[in-house]
Amino acid sequence: DAKTTQPNSMESNEEEPVHLPCNHSTISGTDYIHWYRQLPSQGPEYVIHGLTSNVNNRMASLAIAEDRKSSTLILHRATLRDAAVYYCILKGRRGGSQGNLIFGKGTKLSVKP
Amino acid sequence: IAGITQAPTSQILAAGRRMTLRCTQDMRHNAMYWYRQDLGLGLRLIHYSNTAGTTGKGEVPDGYSVSRANTDDFPLTLASAVPSQTSVYFCASSKTAFGRVNSYNEQFFGPGTRLTVL
Repeated sequence: DAKTTQPNSMESNEEEPVHLPCNHSTISGTDYIHWYRQLPSQGPEYVIHGLTSNVNNRMASLAIAEDRKSSTLILHRATLRDAAVYYCILKGRRGGSQGNLIFGKGTKLSVKP
Repeated sequence: IAGITQAPTSQILAAGRRMTLRCTQDMRHNAMYWYRQDLGLGLRLIHYSNTAGTTGKGEVPDGYSVSRANTDDFPLTLASAVPSQTSVYFCASSKTAFGRVNSYNEQFFGPGTRLTVL
């Protein structure tokens, strides 16, 4: 699985948009870009995923660069509940032999009231 | 709403003792996973099961064993606990390990078990 690079931490103010970057310069053509987040003292939870086109769902938006070497998770209006560690993960749709997700260290997002 | 449950929530264990962490899901997912999470590190895969009756080793399997007698349950056993197994353990499941075309294979995680081995 290709490697991703994320900033260790970011800060945001409540009610403001947050852009969480992820670099994945060695992404393969079949790799999907997945985002999960982990709230304090909880297990990770799915946020969004995409392949080539930008994606929106009720939680967030995913903007994917045209060359797919980077992507940005966008939280349109950060709330205190969005304070979490956000993981950018590459995985083919068909998975590997183990089907698991490979987590890096992620970006710790702090949200200030 | 159940999803995935894990038990116990937390446990303090003497080194050398045997311990089984329980994981149950009610989503009829075929694939299940055990991860451990240590401070400053991401989640690492211990063992996995693509379907009932089969299991496989992940990145850090030493000192752990699993079984998958049915679809719902995936217990993780530490035969003889050591202090380096102090960690937070997460169980996860997904519909399949290999996603079908036009379907997304989201992983669902349990709340975790915090294990301390003294």
